[in-house]
Amino acid sequence: EAGVTQSPTHLIKTRGQQATLRCSPISGHTSVYWYQQALGLGLQFLLWYDEGEERNRGNFPPRFSGRQFPNYSSELNVNALELEDSALYLCASSFLAIRNEQFFGPGTRLTVL
Amino acid sequence: GDSVTQMEGPVTLSEEACLTINCTYTATGYPSLFWYVQYPGEGLQLLLKATKADDKGSNKGFEATYRKETTSFHLEKGSVQVSDSAVYFCALTGAGSYQLTFGKGTKLSVIP
Repeated sequence: EAGVTQSPTHLIKTRGQQATLRCSPISGHTSVYWYQQALGLGLQFLLWYDEGEERNRGNFPPRFSGRQFPNYSSELNVNALELEDSALYLCASSFLAIRNEQFFGPGTRLTVL
Repeated sequence: GDSVTQMEGPVTLSEEACLTINCTYTATGYPSLFWYVQYPGEGLQLLLKATKADDKGSNKGFEATYRKETTSFHLEKGSVQVSDSAVYFCALTGAGSYQLTFGKGTKLSVIP
């Protein structure tokens, strides 16, 4: 069974640009979560999508947004990039009945220059 | 809000030494508790979990017991190996929520 996949592996952008990160959940999982792992800040919850809808978001500005597609894959968009957005972005998925158990992808390393 | 506090390390141990990484939490109700491990250059892997008080999670020789009275979920292993070198994260999902709240992580290095 394939795990959670994320693309691209690495992404380099400049300040003010937009970044799009993609995530494919484990087959059968309907929930997708996004987390940011920034140096010195630890892992912080960004967004949660379930059945195509945003269910909750963490303490991040509106320029962090995303969506979930009918096939349950998800996109994270970061607009007007700032230097401090440089981080590893991790996607996780979970199954409806066992929401508490989240399975993580390898992450996308975003570098903002 | 919910929070997790864990010893930050880094922790350096010799092979076959005993490991304890302390984790305490603050949450309302009865959260579910987790330990995740992150090997160098990789994403997070679920190591073990416990969903109610006095539950013991175990995997790959690691154990942790959900202690409601002390709000703790300490990670233990009796004999560590070089391959256990990684960053370990304690985490919880609060009652009524599904996103994970993480501790800051503890880097473990095991030397031969």
